[in-house]
Amino acid sequence: AQKITQTQPGMFVQEKEAVTLDCTYDTSDPSYGLFWYKQPSSGEMIFLIYQGSYDQQNATEGRYSLNFQKARKSANLVISASQLGDSAMYFCAMREGNGANSKLTFGKGITLSVRP
Amino acid sequence: EPEVTQTPSHQVTQMGQEVILRCVPISNHLYFYWYRQILGQKVEFLVSFYNNEISEKSEIFDDQFSVERPDGSNFTLKIRSTKLEDSAMYFCASSEAVDRASGQPQHFGDGTRLSIL
Repeated sequence: AQKITQTQPGMFVQEKEAVTLDCTYDTSDPSYGLFWYKQPSSGEMIFLIYQGSYDQQNATEGRYSLNFQKARKSANLVISASQLGDSAMYFCAMREGNGANSKLTFGKGITLSVRP
Repeated sequence: EPEVTQTPSHQVTQMGQEVILRCVPISNHLYFYWYRQILGQKVEFLVSFYNNEISEKSEIFDDQFSVERPDGSNFTLKIRSTKLEDSAMYFCASSEAVDRASGQPQHFGDGTRLSIL
């Protein structure tokens, strides 16, 4: 089974509107972390936001928030007030394990296009 | 803000040649990683490195690959005899600490685009 599933096709959003990018995950480990990264067309990977499995509240970082529904194993990224510069590929990733065995497993990514 | 630095940004190499990709992790970070991303595909884990030794490696990381931390700052990925299918973007990442409860992210460099001819 896929560890991280991102099934949305390319997403489009009007500038200044909010958009939700879906991510579901699969793990039997009770302790894990979920991350979202942004990859613009220039190729770099930019860390956006983190949610720990034991966190009581949904993570927020500026215009980014994470809608964490543990029972449903979903960790959707919400971008508020979209900007043209938000157009990029967005990857959801999960970290399982501890110590040095802490690789990230990525989903296939979602392309977001912000329309002016 | 400190960042992970990768050089070169683009490397073009003939098939069968050796290539070394270089990375300078963030200075106080202890854990280092290499990932690759074939064009249009997802990011895949290659290897993690801690305390001067490999912690984990994926199936992709076969005998053609090696990593080294030759001094206190550089972290290198060597591909001994490149193949066409090695063409990809290679990302180096580092993290400060790994704690299941912590949100210490892996900070990625800008990547090296490797093209094998």
